[in-house]
Amino acid sequence: AQSVTQLDSQVPVFEEAPVELRCNYSSSVSVYLFWYVQYPNQGLQLLLKYLSGSTLVKGINGFEAEFNKSQTSFHLRKPSVHISDTAEYFCAVSENNAGKSTFGDGTTLTVKP
Amino acid sequence: GAVVSQHPSWVICKSGTSVKIECRSLDFQATTMFWYRQFPKQSLMLMATSNEGSKATYEQGVEKDKFLINHASLTLSTLTVTSAHPEDSSFYICSATGNNQPQHFGDGTRLSIL
Repeated sequence: AQSVTQLDSQVPVFEEAPVELRCNYSSSVSVYLFWYVQYPNQGLQLLLKYLSGSTLVKGINGFEAEFNKSQTSFHLRKPSVHISDTAEYFCAVSENNAGKSTFGDGTTLTVKP
Repeated sequence: GAVVSQHPSWVICKSGTSVKIECRSLDFQATTMFWYRQFPKQSLMLMATSNEGSKATYEQGVEKDKFLINHASLTLSTLTVTSAHPEDSSFYICSATGNNQPQHFGDGTRLSIL
């Protein structure tokens, strides 16, 4: 069984500040890890994914995440956020690239001017 | 990039009616489609997995007779909420995958049952 814990339900930050959204997972097998963004009344858009290889993964919109196997974490970071980054962010884990995923409860990122 | 179209985006109907939601992969063959349900301020809950040409696999606690899923072609899956009631009101999201691609999500359908 797999599970995902997003440690912060809400993260308020000021524009141009750095941000980190935390994600921890548990699994008995090797996993693939994903971060998605969801804007109001829309589906999910893939920000980035970790399948194998380099533990630092760069995604769209200036986001990056680092896979830490020993700490079973996959935290999402952005060095300078914009108002337009305000959205819901979901961390997810899957046993393969195309299989069903288990999602965390989400983190609401609110960027204030 | 890959595009998944979900229709309708918003539907309001009376209690007792059935509602069909379509999920189409526009530029790739979707061998597998997933249907999720999302309550306000909550995460996505997987309802079922459908493979083209096969019966859907439902997650525990999801009534298969209530939520009928059809995946008759490599580009279309449908979810029918039968005899819908107010407690079925939710945001339903589909995703599609194929050729070892990651999931591509539709924009969701907001269902409101009066």
